[in-house]
Amino acid sequence: NAGVTQTPKFQVLKTGQSMTLQCAQDMNHEYMSWYRQDPGMGLRLIHYSVGAGITDQGEVPNGYNVSRSTTEDFPLRLLSAAPSQTSVYFCASSPQGILGTQYFGPGTRLLVL
Amino acid sequence: RKEVEQDPGPFNVPEGATVAFNCTYSNSASQSFFWYRQDCRKEPKLLMSVYSSGNEDGRFTAQLNRASQYISLLIRDSKLSDSATYLCVVNSEGTYKYIFGTGTRLKVLA
Repeated sequence: NAGVTQTPKFQVLKTGQSMTLQCAQDMNHEYMSWYRQDPGMGLRLIHYSVGAGITDQGEVPNGYNVSRSTTEDFPLRLLSAAPSQTSVYFCASSPQGILGTQYFGPGTRLLVL
Repeated sequence: RKEVEQDPGPFNVPEGATVAFNCTYSNSASQSFFWYRQDCRKEPKLLMSVYSSGNEDGRFTAQLNRASQYISLLIRDSKLSDSATYLCVVNSEGTYKYIFGTGTRLKVLA
């Protein structure tokens, strides 16, 4: 099993550009989530999904969209990148939503100029 | 007040020392609790879940105090390899949302 994979590992964007961060897991986990990690802020939940076709907002959803068409994939779209979105983005999955533990991908480092 | 709070540290301890971290949470309805470990520029990885009765995994002991709304992590016989940031994670209001603390940095010195 590859676990949770994320692409790309690094990305530089200009303000206003859009892009999609990819996340995939091969563990058949129902729950998937996206976090951003900024210095001094810890990990903050952006969006999450409890199964294919079901998504919901987390703590900091503005400027991001998600979809969950399959159990395996959970892409995160930045609609119009802003410098405030410079961060490290982690995708995670869990076999159980509430009581389960989360498995994280290696992260995507995004710089918005 | 933040929903989950941790002392950022760093905690600098010699090899072999015992060190303890606390994490306080504000929502009394929180149901599940975890400690994650994060190495520099890496993803977080689960260290251990925290059970109501307390639990131990080798040199690591986790405790939950619901009355005072905090969880703790005790590391005995610290190793150089224990140097990392330890993240406290709380399930928010019994929902599917997990709230992370900002982490406590530990440096074990030779």
